[in-house]
Amino acid sequence: GENVEQHPSTLSVQEGDSAVIKCTYSDSASNYFPWYKQELGKRPQLIIDIRSNVGEKKDQRIAVTLNKTAKHFSLHITETQPEDSAVYFCAASIGTNAGKSTFGDGTTLTVKP
Amino acid sequence: DAGVTQSPTHLIKTRGQQVTLRCSPISGHKSVSWYQQVLGQGPQFIFQYYEKEERGRGNFPDRFSARQFPNYSSELNVNALLLGDSALYLCASSPRTDTQYFGPGTRLTVL
Repeated sequence: GENVEQHPSTLSVQEGDSAVIKCTYSDSASNYFPWYKQELGKRPQLIIDIRSNVGEKKDQRIAVTLNKTAKHFSLHITETQPEDSAVYFCAASIGTNAGKSTFGDGTTLTVKP
Repeated sequence: DAGVTQSPTHLIKTRGQQVTLRCSPISGHKSVSWYQQVLGQGPQFIFQYYEKEERGRGNFPDRFSARQFPNYSSELNVNALLLGDSALYLCASSPRTDTQYFGPGTRLTVL
């Protein structure tokens, strides 16, 4: 089955700096790669996703890049703010079936004011 | 529109007991997935149902079962509870098999 590894497990940045979280996956049949933000005690919320026919996608301060050859994808957050502090999860899905996603173990991002 | 809802919010059970968790998807969503999230880890896929049929099962023992009803709501059942079943159980719905939206989860504690 699919295996997703996520690094780093914790990340601390100063407000205004950029943050980068990286994930690798094992199954070349995976074609859908979402990123979720989970605040303490709350549900995971989709913040951005990318499909395998696209190499990069951007939404305001958030961007995701995908390298299918190397089987890795990354989340980039620019101009970080304290409210960006949360746990971020990457995931991969075989085909484009988001409902059978394999998740990484998460990155705890702390943005210091 | 209401989001994905789950009940109960919290649940405390003892080893060996059985539990049923419930999920109501977003209106119009026909796919429901269940995930187990152990503290400090990412969600782990348990089941997916689409149009009342099982579309996938993760690496969980037969003590875990689920079903989807004609109104697309779903139940997750866990028999013979073990201490290791303590976790946050998340339900997610999607219109078909694309972008999924998570519910708030049910926190299960097994004593």
